[in-house]
Amino acid sequence: DGGITQSPKYLFRKEGQNVTLSCEQNLNHDAMYWYRQDPGQGLRLIYYSQIVNDFQKGDIAEGYSVSREKKESFPLTVTSAQKNPTAFYLCASSASGTRGFVQYFGPGTRLTVT
Amino acid sequence: QQQVKQSPQSLIVQKGGISIINCAYENTAFDYFPWYQQFPGKGPALLIAIRPDVSEKKEGRFTISFNKSAKQFSLHIMDSQPGDSATYFCAARRGNTGKLIFGQGTTLQVKP
Repeated sequence: DGGITQSPKYLFRKEGQNVTLSCEQNLNHDAMYWYRQDPGQGLRLIYYSQIVNDFQKGDIAEGYSVSREKKESFPLTVTSAQKNPTAFYLCASSASGTRGFVQYFGPGTRLTVT
Repeated sequence: QQQVKQSPQSLIVQKGGISIINCAYENTAFDYFPWYQQFPGKGPALLIAIRPDVSEKKEGRFTISFNKSAKQFSLHIMDSQPGDSATYFCAARRGNTGKLIFGQGTTLQVKP
């Protein structure tokens, strides 16, 4: 099966702890993205990567970090510096260049920090 | 200039009716306008998309109407069904980066 997997589906953490969300794709896509979804606010871009070993900040990168050591993997770390980390996190990927119009999304990870 | 404004926030339609969701944008550099459908607890899935050189695109019961001069586009769902009940997001792609800017979302409820 081709697609994007995110794990875990639900994640609970105590305030002050860093937490890493997993995103893996076997679509052979060059580009990968992390979004945060809050009720009534749509999807907001946290980080994106268009190629291995390179990534750029999105619109709300503060308090987050990423790495892109492999083409198929793009983990997101929510650090203790993120003031309001409780949200639904979505990973997406797309082909590059003129074929890169469609972003495919994973099933999401719901993070709750208390 | 980078925003995409979506309305209404929520919509209730009777089964068999037409659901209409509207989006407006400012940035003329956007080159691709997709609509995504999201069910509770799931990731969004591409529903239908249009390029700015086309005024209308239809796929089954779903139609996008695009008005380039007004910088507006809309999703029409004909013969709406209870299974269409979901949250719908419009988006616009920044041509040089591939990044999508999403609208705020519309929660559609189709009553039987």
